[in-house]
Amino acid sequence: EPEVTQTPSHQVTQMGQEVILRCVPISNHLYFYWYRQILGQKVEFLVSFYNNEISEKSEIFDDQFSVERPDGSNFTLKIRSTKLEDSAMYFCASSEDLRGLSDTQYFGPGTRLTVL
Amino acid sequence: SQQGEEDPQALSIQEGENATMNCSYKTSINNLQWYRQNSGRGLVHLILIRSNEREKHSGRLRVTLDTSKKSSSLLITASRAADTASYFCATDGRGGADGLTFGKGTHLIIQP
Repeated sequence: EPEVTQTPSHQVTQMGQEVILRCVPISNHLYFYWYRQILGQKVEFLVSFYNNEISEKSEIFDDQFSVERPDGSNFTLKIRSTKLEDSAMYFCASSEDLRGLSDTQYFGPGTRLTVL
Repeated sequence: SQQGEEDPQALSIQEGENATMNCSYKTSINNLQWYRQNSGRGLVHLILIRSNEREKHSGRLRVTLDTSKKSSSLLITASRAADTASYFCATDGRGGADGLTFGKGTHLIIQP
């Protein structure tokens, strides 16, 4: 069964460093998402992406975050200057295009980001 | 206000019993989804129910949706130890490429 994959599974970085989290969505899906889950807290929406541009973003997704689809398969989340509070599990998700209807979002296994 | 709040926060039952978890939400939705998360792992999609549906089944799972009460329930029948996990409901606000709003989840423990 097709699945969303994410790399790396765990990333440790120093405060102020840039990190890039990578995702490979399900191949025929057209909507892509990033979420994060701080330890012990809710899963929070960061951003959605469609047709090579951001479709929607939350207030969490500030100027230090950016997303990109550099090729036909990868979808990346870049955090420019990491802060301690960016430590969290980051999930990528994808869904099919249902012509404006919401659809099931399939999540990857997550990347655990630890900022020291 | 909180969208997608589950209760109870924790539930411990014996293997073979049924487990019921509830979710309440505040705003109008197009659909509501239930996910499972094993400790420290990814989110596994369980079932999606649309706003015009009242009940849906998938294997041992039964989901109900009451849009007048803005609530949903997830029933797991004949529970197994492998069902031990956190269960989340997630709602969307509009159609299209929309982020889901998750609740805090119900932590379900199945005692063997």
